[in-house]
Amino acid sequence: DVKVTQSSRYLVKRTGEKVFLECVQDMDHENMFWYRQDPGLGLRLIYFSYDVKMKEKGDIPEGYSVSREKKERFSLILESASTNQTSMYLCASSSIGTGPHEQYFGPGTRLTVT
Amino acid sequence: AQSVTQLGSHVSVSEGALVLLRCNYSSSVPPYLFWYVQYPNQGLQLLLKYTSAATLVKGINGFEAEFKKSETSFHLTKPSAHMSDAAEYFCAVRSEGAGSYQLTFGKGTKLSVIP
Repeated sequence: DVKVTQSSRYLVKRTGEKVFLECVQDMDHENMFWYRQDPGLGLRLIYFSYDVKMKEKGDIPEGYSVSREKKERFSLILESASTNQTSMYLCASSSIGTGPHEQYFGPGTRLTVT
Repeated sequence: AQSVTQLGSHVSVSEGALVLLRCNYSSSVPPYLFWYVQYPNQGLQLLLKYTSAATLVKGINGFEAEFKKSETSFHLTKPSAHMSDAAEYFCAVRSEGAGSYQLTFGKGTKLSVIP
């Protein structure tokens, strides 16, 4: 059974802290994605990666960075957390090639920045 | 560019009634289309996907969706709502050959089921 796991379900951090969100997939997928989800705004893509050490900006990369040192692991970093980064963060992965290549999602991390 | 519009941010139905969640998309090339469901405080789970093999697609939990190219629609239906269907539903599109594996999501429709 396919699985995407995220390091924390709930996280509370203070303004200015450096925050790491970890995502691991066990499906040998090439693509990995980080989204944030806010009420009324749906899912917005922060960054994605199509290979180890490769990354591309999504729609809202400001204030975030990412790291992919191993194929199965994709980390989202908030260099200096701010209250407007309080949100639900979702990680996803997918394969490549011809076909639909649906994304598989982790359970999400609800981050609160105070 | 591709986009997804979900009509109605909130839909309420009575238990046992028909569920209809609307999704319209725009895509310059034949699309792949998806419906995902999200239960409270959980990630997204794939309900079903359209891959051009058949216009009527059956998914999990009794849901199905019909692809209508002329209407650029991919509406989600279920004949009889159950309390456990209360969740948020997202429609998404990906265009083959667009050089990207990104999905474009609609803003979601929250389904309430009234006993």
